[in-house]
Amino acid sequence: QKEVEQNSGPLSVPEGAIASLNCTYSDRGSQSFFWYRQYSGKSPELIMSIYSNGDKEDGRFTAQLNKASQYVSLLIRDSQPSDSATYLCAVNDIQGAQKLVFGQGTRLTINP
Amino acid sequence: DAGVIQSPRHEVTEMGQEVTLRCKPISGHNSLFWYRQTMMRGLELLIYFNNNVPIDDSGMPEDRFSAKMPNASFSTLKIQPSEPRDSAVYFCASRGLSHLTGFSYEQYFGPGTRLTVT
Repeated sequence: QKEVEQNSGPLSVPEGAIASLNCTYSDRGSQSFFWYRQYSGKSPELIMSIYSNGDKEDGRFTAQLNKASQYVSLLIRDSQPSDSATYLCAVNDIQGAQKLVFGQGTRLTINP
Repeated sequence: DAGVIQSPRHEVTEMGQEVTLRCKPISGHNSLFWYRQTMMRGLELLIYFNNNVPIDDSGMPEDRFSAKMPNASFSTLKIQPSEPRDSAVYFCASRGLSHLTGFSYEQYFGPGTRLTVT
């Protein structure tokens, strides 16, 4: 059973601090990893993709991938109240190669 | 560029009625995915198409659900007859090809249809 695990939260972070979101996956052969942001009542929005070990930065967002430990994380620097949302981690299914397996999401709240 | 378009945005129907949800993928995308999202079960893949052909429908809950993609710009998800437990938000997502690698896993979601079956 392919699994993507996330802490459901809620994760509460003060404004201006770094928010750290974590995700582990069970399929060692997975190659593609994604973070989606979902505001309440809205659809998931792709914010980061990462394919290689290490860090990938895009503005205030940094995705980190460690395939040996089978975890991927998302760091949000200088957190803003507008970052309050649920963050979904998604990993490609290597058997159903074109599918993504989604975690349950972590609910993040940024406190002003 | 227009994103994924879904209609209707909200649907309220009575148990036993037929429900048809519609999706227009991003132009040029060749893969289309139907998902269902509930608080209890999260985001579940129901079925996906490549080049208008259904590839994997293992997530379709039962025979009451059916999906079609008659052409590259249109897909439907039908529930007949509907039941209260079908109440959820249904998302359509599409995926294109990477100009660099020829393949991309990146999926882009439509706004969703919130279905309520009473």
